[in-house]
Amino acid sequence: ELKVEQNPLFLSMQEGKNYTIYCNYSTTSDRLYWYRQDPGKSLESLFVLLSNGAVKQEGRLMASLDTKARLSTLHITAAVHDLSATYFCAVFYGNKLVFGAGTILRVKS
Amino acid sequence: DSGVTQTPKHLITATGQRVTLRCSPRSGDLSVYWYQQSLDQGLQFLIQYYNGEERAKGNILERFSAQQFPDLHSELNLSSLELGDSALYFCASSALGGGAGEQFFGPGTRLTVL
Repeated sequence: ELKVEQNPLFLSMQEGKNYTIYCNYSTTSDRLYWYRQDPGKSLESLFVLLSNGAVKQEGRLMASLDTKARLSTLHITAAVHDLSATYFCAVFYGNKLVFGAGTILRVKS
Repeated sequence: DSGVTQTPKHLITATGQRVTLRCSPRSGDLSVYWYQQSLDQGLQFLIQYYNGEERAKGNILERFSAQQFPDLHSELNLSSLELGDSALYFCASSALGGGAGEQFFGPGTRLTVL
């Protein structure tokens, strides 16, 4: 059974700082997704990573995928308060998405 | 706005009751997925339908069932409700049938079982 582990589970950052969220998974997959969820809201698709070495960037967020290491990272550059949310990675396996537990990100001014 | 709609937004009911959650996918999407989000279990995939046919099954209880209709909307039926069924239920849709396509999530239905 596929296990998807995110760390850290909670991240408190200062505005302007950089940090990385890690997503490890236990079985081979070449499709990984990152989602953002604001409190009480739905999930918003951030990135779709479809191959080894894929890197995508949108604003202050950059996601990458290393299928050999079974690792994806979500890098935050110069954090701003608006990035405060919960971030989920999800791995496609067995015809379904398996989600990590989520990383709660709080950006403090 | 993802284009996926779900009704109702909130549902409060009692143990032992039966409820139906409804989802309309984005225009043109043939696949519908149901997920349950709770504090203790996180986000869990329940079931997927593609163009009216069940395509994949996850951790869906026998008390739960779903279907997708010819107009592609889907319903999730939850019966003999228990306190532990209280959760946020999301529907998502995608254009592809294999589950690998990007999934767009609806606003969710918050179910409270008292």
